[in-house]
Amino acid sequence: DAKTTQPTSMDCAEGRAANLPCNHSTISGNEYVYWYRQIHSQGPQYIIHGLKNNETNEMASLIITEDRKSSTLILPHATLRDTAVYYCIVSVSSGSARQLTFGSGTQLTVLP
Amino acid sequence: NAGVTQTPKFQVLKTGQSMTLQCAQDMNHNSMYWYRQDPGMGLRLIYYSASEGTTDKGEVPNGYNVSRLNKREFSLRLESAAPSQTSVYFCASSGGRKDSPLHFGNGTRLTVT
Repeated sequence: DAKTTQPTSMDCAEGRAANLPCNHSTISGNEYVYWYRQIHSQGPQYIIHGLKNNETNEMASLIITEDRKSSTLILPHATLRDTAVYYCIVSVSSGSARQLTFGSGTQLTVLP
Repeated sequence: NAGVTQTPKFQVLKTGQSMTLQCAQDMNHNSMYWYRQDPGMGLRLIYYSASEGTTDKGEVPNGYNVSRLNKREFSLRLESAAPSQTSVYFCASSGGRKDSPLHFGNGTRLTVT
């Protein structure tokens, strides 16, 4: 799996958009980009994923650059409950199993 | 739906004791996984099961065994617990599509003294 690089920490004002960057310059053509978050002491929560195109769901938007070497997770209106560690992962399936390699992630702190 | 359920939530063991961590999912997922997370670190894959009847080693399998009991259940066994196995253990499952995301349980917090 391709390695990812994320900032260690970021702050965001409540109500503003949070933009979390991720570099994955060695990503290969069949690898997806996944975003998860982990709120203190809980299990990781799936947010969104994509291959080439930008994606949006009820939680967030995922913007992938045309060369696929980086991506940005956007939380459009951050709330205090969005404070968490955010993990960017690139992965290809092995058969039907998905082996995800979690790095250290970005600690996002939403400030009141 | 409960999603992924792990039991117990907390456990304290003495060195050398054995125990089994239980995991069950009600999403009819084919694949299941066991991860561990040490303080301040990301998750590391211990074992996974791509489908019922198959299991494979992940990044850190030493000291653990697993059983895919049926499609719903995937257990993790520590035969002789060591202090280095003090960690939070997460079970996850994923569906049949090649890009299906993982869904995690809320973890078992294990302390080995």
